[in-house]
Order: sequence, then structure tokens, then C-alpha cells
Amino acid sequence: AAGVIQSPRHLIKEKRETATLKCYPIPRHDTVYWYQQGPGQDPQFLISFYEKMQSDKGSIPDRFSAQQFSDYHSELNMSSLELGDSALYFCASSLVASGISELFFGEGSRLTVL
Amino acid sequence: KQEVTQIPAALSVPEGENLVLNCSFTDSAIYNLQWFRQDPGKGLTSLLLIQSSQREQTSGRLNASLDKSSGRSTLYIAASQPGDSATYLCAVSYNNAGNMLTFGGGTRLMVKP
Repeated sequence: AAGVIQSPRHLIKEKRETATLKCYPIPRHDTVYWYQQGPGQDPQFLISFYEKMQSDKGSIPDRFSAQQFSDYHSELNMSSLELGDSALYFCASSLVASGISELFFGEGSRLTVL
Repeated sequence: KQEVTQIPAALSVPEGENLVLNCSFTDSAIYNLQWFRQDPGKGLTSLLLIQSSQREQTSGRLNASLDKSSGRSTLYIAASQPGDSATYLCAVSYNNAGNMLTFGGGTRLMVKP
């Protein structure tokens, strides 16, 4: 079965640079979520989209933005990168319309800011 | 603000033991609860989902229970194997709109051969 696909898997950037992460949800899933997991920490919710519209916003810095496109893939844009942005970034998708909303996570994109 | 706590933070058991991981949450008005497994540096694998109207779910050697009124869930692993070694995370969702998850800190499990 198709899973959530994230790219790139690893990314190294310098401070103040910009990074873009991509996420392809499970086909027919209507909701995409972005989470950030710092070293030794549990995942923290950043932002979600339901049917291409932003639905919830968590602890996402103003330097970050995200959107979901017509083909349902999503991108997380991070600008003016800081050392503290180094983390594993997860995308997840679910079918909220099913009423069950089980979240399925991708393998994550590891961002290292030098 | 919903808080999710997992106890113990770490657990080491010999192979073959049955074990219980605990998860507690402060607000009992949850929509559902999910248990995940995470291997080091890897993604989150969904193990079990319990809807708020359910009391337990089973998958193979795993059994998860939910007691909404007391704000608790347990994950029971039967006949543990070294391959079960991982971090186990529970997460609760508060509603179906957006359905963002709040995670516990996880339990790091080590099953020794």
C-alpha cells in the first residue's frame, strides 16, 4: 500500500538559508499535517491542511510557511534558518472524512542547520 | 492545554516477558488515541488507534485499552521480542477537525535476548 512520501530525506543548510520540504500524502487522504521533532523530544504539531485549506496551526514560527497544492501534495518552507531548526520534520496524512482520522506518518526529513 | 504523560520513560526487559506501557492525558474529552512505534531516527509507525467510544483494540501481540473517564490508556505487549525494541509513543486527538495529535514523551523499550 502507498505510504506518505517525504523529500528530501536529509538536508543540510547554513544559517539564514531557506529550505523547502515536500510531502506526498496517501492517495485519497484529505488532510495533511506537519510535525517537528527535535533531538530527544516528542513530535510537535506545526500546521495542518484539510482539502487544501489551512485547518489548524500549532507552534509554527513566523519564518515558516506551508501550503497544500491542487494535487494534495504539501510543502513546508523555512526561511532565515536558525541552528534550533535542526530537527526531524514529519508529514502525516489522514482521511478525516472517514470519521476515524488515523494518522499515517512519513519517514521524515532530517534538517541540519550549520 | 492537553498534556500527555507516559510512564515509564524507559524500560528494559528480558525476551519473552509480557509488559505494559502507560499513557495518561489531562483532558478526558478526546476524539481518539493512537499508539505509535518509532525506531531511532525513523518515522512513526501507527500500531493501534482507539476511538473515544471504544475500550480496547488488538493487533497480534499488542493490545491497547482506553479508560476515558480516568484519562488513561495502556499498551500491552505479549511475549516481547528483541525486535520490539523501540520508542513507543501515545498521542491523543481532541477533535476531528484538523485532528492534530498531542504526543506523550514516549517509552524507550529495550528487549534483551
